[in-house]
Amino acid sequence: SQQEEEDPQALSIQEGENATMNCSYKTSINNLQWYRQNSGRGLVHLILIRSNEREKHSGRLRVTLDTSKKSSSLLITASRAADTASYFCATPLSNDYKLSFGAGTTVTVRA
Amino acid sequence: GAGVSQSPSNKVTEKGKDVELRCDPISGHTALYWYRQSLGQGLEFLIYFQGNSAPDKSGLPSDRFSAERTGGSVSTLTIQRTQQEDSAVYLCASSLRGRSTDTQYFGPGTRLTVL
Repeated sequence: SQQEEEDPQALSIQEGENATMNCSYKTSINNLQWYRQNSGRGLVHLILIRSNEREKHSGRLRVTLDTSKKSSSLLITASRAADTASYFCATPLSNDYKLSFGAGTTVTVRA
Repeated sequence: GAGVSQSPSNKVTEKGKDVELRCDPISGHTALYWYRQSLGQGLEFLIYFQGNSAPDKSGLPSDRFSAERTGGSVSTLTIQRTQQEDSAVYLCASSLRGRSTDTQYFGPGTRLTVL
């Protein structure tokens, strides 16, 4: 069973606005990753944040991690139509090589 | 190759038939994963290969599912006697060493439809 829950399930915003999505997980982790999926096909890795980090930036992406609350957020600033996709958080399972993926947040950016 | 490739991109089959899905990982990546994604869902882990070690098959949903990885490179996922509930997108990913901190590089997936 999935150990992540993502919120919201879907998000619709205007181009230029920011999009924020959240991920909560159940067990202790040493890192959390975010992936993007366009049109139900392959996923693309966006960013990895380690458990000793609280915030990380990559271009227009900002990820936070609060290990005390077992939650993470992904912020996309100044959204573009090309950001329309599903976004998944993933955490490692205890055996270290498996990732558990959440059900994802579907983001639609309107022109 | 430049990325992970999968074939076919789409497969439509009749219930009861066998299907084979192929994955070519990134050259040099020792770890290979198969996932299944049903409509609107997250990824369900199926199987993991790492080098010459015995694969982790713990995610395979039934004995109708099997997978091989020949020569530490190409992998084939076989589904025997397909059922309608097998309809999904099957995704393959590879990573350099198979550690959780390694980026997984995904192929475009095979969309399987069982009629």
